[in-house]
Amino acid sequence: GEDVEQSLFLSVREGDSSVINCTYTDSSSTYLYWYKQEPGAGLQLLTYIFSNMDMKQDQRLTVLLNKKDKHLSLRIADTQTGDSAIYFCALVSGNTPLVFGKGTRLSVIA
Amino acid sequence: DTEVTQTPKHLVMGMTNKKSLKCEQHMGHRAMYWYKQKAKKPPELMFVYSYEKLSINESVPSRFSPECPNSSLLNLHLHALQPEDSALYLCASSQEALAGAQGKTQYFGPGTRLLVL
Repeated sequence: GEDVEQSLFLSVREGDSSVINCTYTDSSSTYLYWYKQEPGAGLQLLTYIFSNMDMKQDQRLTVLLNKKDKHLSLRIADTQTGDSAIYFCALVSGNTPLVFGKGTRLSVIA
Repeated sequence: DTEVTQTPKHLVMGMTNKKSLKCEQHMGHRAMYWYKQKAKKPPELMFVYSYEKLSINESVPSRFSPECPNSSLLNLHLHALQPEDSALYLCASSQEALAGAQGKTQYFGPGTRLLVL
């Protein structure tokens, strides 16, 4: 089955850019998502990218997809303290349900 | 509107109690999901309903009983739970469950935090 890997922690200073990385194993993954989870809350869909795209930009968020290396990244420009949360990479391939990475805890230092 | 609502927000129950979690969406989605999430872990899929029929049961113990009364509502009935069942229970919905990937984009509710004593 699909295996999705993320680094567990990232710490950045307020105003800097954050880059959260994700690698996966199934090359047939068709939709790739980033979800944000704040403490005690549910998962908020931040953005997604189709496998026929290389990049998607949405305000402060930029998603890059390298299909050859099976690598997905989320860049947050001008990171704010409100961006502190856990970020989950998640993928859909074929008829399988959503597969999540373990999540990256982003800490923003003021 | 991409809102999924869940009630209650918090629930404390004893091991002999019977309680229910409720989930509602009005986006016209035909697939609904229950997930269990332990602290510092990703969500784990429990059940999938597609067109009001149970399509996936991820080997969940029978003390958890899902129900989909109509296309907008999803319930999770709880009975004789164990302390290890304490977790955040998340509901999600998507346009479709088993069709093309675009319809699988899932929208999550805020969750019910369950504590079993």
